[in-house]
Amino acid sequence: DAKTTQPPSMDCAEGRAANLPCNHSTISGNEYVYWYRQIHSQGPQYIIHGLKNNETNEMASLIITEDRKSSTLILPHATLRDTAVYYCIVNLGGGYQKVTFGTGTKLQVIP
Amino acid sequence: GAVVSQHPSWVICKSGTSVKIECRSLDFQATTMFWYRQFPKQSLMLMATSNEGSKATYEQGVEKDKFLINHASLTLSTLTVTSAHPEDSSFYICSARDQDSYHFGNGTRLTVT
Repeated sequence: DAKTTQPPSMDCAEGRAANLPCNHSTISGNEYVYWYRQIHSQGPQYIIHGLKNNETNEMASLIITEDRKSSTLILPHATLRDTAVYYCIVNLGGGYQKVTFGTGTKLQVIP
Repeated sequence: GAVVSQHPSWVICKSGTSVKIECRSLDFQATTMFWYRQFPKQSLMLMATSNEGSKATYEQGVEKDKFLINHASLTLSTLTVTSAHPEDSSFYICSARDQDSYHFGNGTRLTVT
């Protein structure tokens, strides 16, 4: 799996958009970008994933640069419940592919 | 959506005893499941890959005789921490893949006294 680099922490005001960056400069052409988050003392929760096109779902948007070397997860209107550690992972996506976690970004949503 | 259920959510045991943790995929089949361990304020560390009907694959530095993994069916994998010691106290999390995303259990908090 390609390695990822994320800032260790970020703050975001409640109601504002949270933009979480991730660098994955060694990503290969068939590796997907996945985002998960972990709220304290719970298992990681799937947010979104993409290959090269931008993606949007009910939770977030994922913007992947054209060269695929970086991506940004966007939470359009952050709430206090979005306070969590966010992990960016690149993975081939097959059922046998193990998922390894980096250190993630601790997002603190401030009232 | 797909759900992975983990049981128990927490357990306290005495040093020297063994503890079994179950991981079930509730509405999908998983030939492969993954076990992680997480210490406070650290990221998840992959321990092993559990393969249905065959031996588990352990990550470097993880003792296979200490952490026994059994994946007897397409919906159940178990992790047994044998002869537990206080340093085994941790948060254990399992994961399985359904179609195009990985799903995680809610973890098991193990405390060894």
